[in-house]
Amino acid sequence: AQSVTQLGSHVSVSEGALVLLRCNYSSSVPPYLFWYVQYPNQGLQLLLKYTTGATLVKGINGFEAEFKKSETSFHLTKPSAHMSDAAEYFCAVSPPGNQFYFGTGTSLTVIP
Amino acid sequence: ETGVTQSPTHLIKTRGQQVTLRCSSQSGHNTVSWYQQALGQGPQFIFQYYREEENGRGNFPPRFSGLQFPNYSSELNVNALELDDSALYLCASSLSQGRTGELFFGEGSRLTVL
Repeated sequence: AQSVTQLGSHVSVSEGALVLLRCNYSSSVPPYLFWYVQYPNQGLQLLLKYTTGATLVKGINGFEAEFKKSETSFHLTKPSAHMSDAAEYFCAVSPPGNQFYFGTGTSLTVIP
Repeated sequence: ETGVTQSPTHLIKTRGQQVTLRCSSQSGHNTVSWYQQALGQGPQFIFQYYREEENGRGNFPPRFSGLQFPNYSSELNVNALELDDSALYLCASSLSQGRTGELFFGEGSRLTVL
């Protein structure tokens, strides 16, 4: 069975501070892992994905995430938060070729 | 390259009515998935269509049905609407049943059931 847990439904950081959004997953097969961002009244936009290979993946807008199999984690980070990063972030897991399982989301607030 | 487009963007229905939502997949994508996103929740998988056949279904009742057309566009139909059906309905397209590992989402259709 597949599932995703996002720790912290709301995260606030100061502009310029480190962003860390946590994601732990459960999967019965080697999964693909994703982070999506959703701005108000919009659909989901892919930030980054892990399928195979290098466990540290870089995405758009300066975000990156590291796949840690031993910890079943795929935490999202960005060294320096920008006001435009304020949005809802969703972690997702997918057995290849199968449906996506999303977490409940983390709302990121950036304080000027 | 044309992205995923959905229509209508917003609609209001009353309990018991039926609704049809439409989705045009991204150019070249042959697989369409539908997700329901209730307020404050993550998207939940409804079903996937590949080559005009349903190819996977989540935990949704039969009153949620769909179609995929030869041009890969898709419809989501919901009969006998209930208040809990109020949500953002997201369409996502992909290549080859998602085996390339990425979904491309439209901006959604927000359904309100009164």
